[in-house]
Amino acid sequence: EVQLVESGGGLIQPGGSLRLSCAASGFTVSAHYMSWVRQAPGEGLEFLAVIYGDGRTYYTDSARGRFTISRDNSKNTVFLQMNSLRTEDTALYYCARGNDNGGSDYWGQGTRVTVSP
Amino acid sequence: EIVMTQSPATLSVSPGERVTLSCRASQSVRIYLAWYQQKLGQAPRLLIYGASSRATGMPARFSGSGSGTEFTLTISSLQSEDFAVYYCQQYNTWPYTFGQGTKLEIK
Repeated sequence: EVQLVESGGGLIQPGGSLRLSCAASGFTVSAHYMSWVRQAPGEGLEFLAVIYGDGRTYYTDSARGRFTISRDNSKNTVFLQMNSLRTEDTALYYCARGNDNGGSDYWGQGTRVTVSP
Repeated sequence: EIVMTQSPATLSVSPGERVTLSCRASQSVRIYLAWYQQKLGQAPRLLIYGASSRATGMPARFSGSGSGTEFTLTISSLQSEDFAVYYCQQYNTWPYTFGQGTKLEIK
């Protein structure tokens, strides 16, 4: 059974750092593209970063320069290192698996990040 | 960045009705368009990929159509469990982008 379990969220002050983890089971993360998507309270969905099977990474403007997506194949886990956090980064952060045919077919339950003084 | 625009923002419908949700892209995304359903407190669920292919396990009452810049999601006969927010998302060009969502409410 495919599962994604995010962790690492919490309450952090502006300017702080967090490292989110997405532990996968039931498939190999290096065989799919994996994404981080966030959802601010009461808002829609926003892609942040993606890592492809060959290791290529891409970022949106919101994430570029502050966030880093990475992968540990031995742990079958994807990470999102978030630095210089701002109040507007407050959101529920999801990791999602890329479907071979398009879209993201499996999502974790999300980990909540709150950036507040 | 490709902007995805969904309409309407909210739709009030009765169970059993047929509904059509629209999604427009600011430039062509060919058929690289997905639809998701998100219920309150849950993660999104993939409904449609490739503009018209149902994801594994999705009921046949959900169908997608379109290409280029105009897309629709049709639910042939609304069930109580279908009241949720629906998002379209293009994956033709990075950054992948979502529409702002259409909320289906019970009339």
